[in-house]
Amino acid sequence: QKEVEQNSGPLSVPEGAIASLNCTYSDRGSQSFFWYRQYSGKSPELIMSIYSNGDKEDGRFTAQLNKASQYVSLLIRDSQPSDSATYLCAAPLGGGRRALTFGSGTRLQVQP
Amino acid sequence: ETGVTQSPTHLIKTRGQQVTLRCSSQSGHNTVSWYQQALGQGPQFIFQYYREEENGRGNFPPRFSGLQFPNYSSELNVNALELDDSALYLCASSLMFVGQGNTGELFFGEGSRLTVL
Repeated sequence: QKEVEQNSGPLSVPEGAIASLNCTYSDRGSQSFFWYRQYSGKSPELIMSIYSNGDKEDGRFTAQLNKASQYVSLLIRDSQPSDSATYLCAAPLGGGRRALTFGSGTRLQVQP
Repeated sequence: ETGVTQSPTHLIKTRGQQVTLRCSSQSGHNTVSWYQQALGQGPQFIFQYYREEENGRGNFPPRFSGLQFPNYSSELNVNALELDDSALYLCASSLMFVGQGNTGELFFGEGSRLTVL
């Protein structure tokens, strides 16, 4: 069973700070990773995807992938209270399935 | 908004009953997958449909079944409901094959929240 692990949190950061969310995965063959944001009572929303080692930046968000160490991270710069949500890390299940395996999510709280 | 719609949004059933949840995929998407998300957990893969056939299944018993229709919409059926089936059921649509700008991301509907009493 391919696994994705996350610290459940909550991770609490002050407004304007950098929030760092981390995720490890078990399958060395995984090639792509996704970060979803989920507000309470809502469905997951894709915010970042990353396919190669290194950093990928999109606005205030930076995804980092280190395949040798099998970890993925998401940095949120200038955190805002509206960023308060659960962040889910996901990797493909593979085996010809267009499906994902998710971590349990990290709850982020940005304090005004 | 993703263009994936699910119905009903909320429902309450009792143990032993059966439930059918529905999903309309995003325009142009040919693959639908279903997930169960219990409170405080990440979504768990139930199964996936492509070209009206089940194309992969997670660790869920046979009382979880589904259908995909020619217009790519889908149903999830759960028989003999148990208390532990209480969860948010998410439908996600995607394209089966990546390429030409499509990287295979999943787009989720708003979910159907099932409560089993």
